[in-house]
Amino acid sequence: SQKIEQNSEALNIQEGKTATLTCNYTNYSPAYLQWYRQDPGRGPVFLLLIRENEKEKRKERLKVTFDTTLKQSLFHITASQPADSATYLCALAEGGYQKVTFGTGTKLQVIP
Amino acid sequence: GAVVSQHPSWVICKSGTSVKIECRSLDFQATTMFWYRQFPKQSLMLMATSNEGSKATYEQGVEKDKFLINHASLTLSTLTVTSAHPEDSSFYICSARDPWTSGDYTDTQYFGPGTRLTVL
Repeated sequence: SQKIEQNSEALNIQEGKTATLTCNYTNYSPAYLQWYRQDPGRGPVFLLLIRENEKEKRKERLKVTFDTTLKQSLFHITASQPADSATYLCALAEGGYQKVTFGTGTKLQVIP
Repeated sequence: GAVVSQHPSWVICKSGTSVKIECRSLDFQATTMFWYRQFPKQSLMLMATSNEGSKATYEQGVEKDKFLINHASLTLSTLTVTSAHPEDSSFYICSARDPWTSGDYTDTQYFGPGTRLTVL
């Protein structure tokens, strides 16, 4: 069956360190993968998209890698800040106009 | 960036009543909108895909007669929870697909802020 797995445990890191979140998938052939941030009681906010033929993408303090051989994406936040505390969701789609499926999310807590 | 609004942000109703939730794309035209449901500490579960001018496509296990979806224009989709019961209490979130992101065809979804429904 198809699965998208993210760290089920909350991730606690010290302010200033790099946070690394993992998204693993099985039985998918994604055309692209997206990362979203969700704050409690709010809708997800789009952060980054990476295509199947891209290895890495950056945006300010954010970096996403995509390894289709390992079937894994890593999401990095460098110089983390308490304001980065939130739940981060990965989502993938198998092609244009295909349904986007979300992972369960990882809750990140940045400790001052 | 693309902005999606939802109204109301929260609603409390009595069991047996119907509730309508609106989802609007404010600065882009959305031919496709999605409706999700999210229970506490769980991920988003897609309920249905709404295409402008046609019938919505419901996911397996979602009752189409209970969750009525109308996508009457390129900027508005509505979800009506009919004869709501306490088990329908949840966080409902819509998203709108913007097929153009940064000049590429990337199919990004932009989410509304969500509607908290509580059925007493």
